Amino acid sequence: QKEVEQDPGPLSVPEGAIVSLNCTYSNSAFQYFMWYRQYSRKGPELLMYTYSSGNKEDGRFTAQVDKSSKYISLFIRDSQPSDSATYLCAMTEFGNEKLTFGTGTRLTIIP
Amino acid sequence: GAGVSQSPSNKVTEKGKDVELRCDPISGHTALYWYRQSLGQGLEFLIYFQGNSAPDKSGLPSDRFSAERTGGSVSTLTIQRTQQEDSAVYLCASSPEEGASIGTDTQYFGPGTRLTVL
Repeated sequence: QKEVEQDPGPLSVPEGAIVSLNCTYSNSAFQYFMWYRQYSRKGPELLMYTYSSGNKEDGRFTAQVDKSSKYISLFIRDSQPSDSATYLCAMTEFGNEKLTFGTGTRLTIIP
Repeated sequence: GAGVSQSPSNKVTEKGKDVELRCDPISGHTALYWYRQSLGQGLEFLIYFQGNSAPDKSGLPSDRFSAERTGGSVSTLTIQRTQQEDSAVYLCASSPEEGASIGTDTQYFGPGTRLTVL
């Protein structure tokens, strides 16, 4: 069993819809949770970063962490075609530089 | 400013040959990371450098893989006697600080080197 599980999709939604992306994990020591966005043939770029449990909002994006359930989510409101990309969750322990990634969910926003 | 750069962008090699992949981190970044991204596998951590030393090599899959960093800047990942299962995108990332005191640092990724072993 992988430490981080993520539905690979692909996921297609119409423009303007709310998108929900999720990851589950097994390592209770994970404390830092990130979402990266990766466009085709590009390196991942950091989208959201959350410490421990709770919510964090940045524009159209909201990251949620539920450590009791070992479950994290990324919500995208008013989705745009430019949001079409692969979304990777990543997490790490305190003081550990090694990121553990999910496999990524490929998202397509249909105009 | 300039981001992380990697070269070559694409590399096709024959099974059994050695390859070298290069990473130029963002200027001033002390930490450097190598990851491998295979189809359907997500990003797999390979090695981490702090300055020129590698405190964590735990992700290197075999002794055919090695990496070095010189001058606290450029890093080279070398794969000897390449195998078809080595085909993947090799990504390099850098971050600005040691990070241990604040938990973690944002890692900035390069575009990757796509390696194909025939």
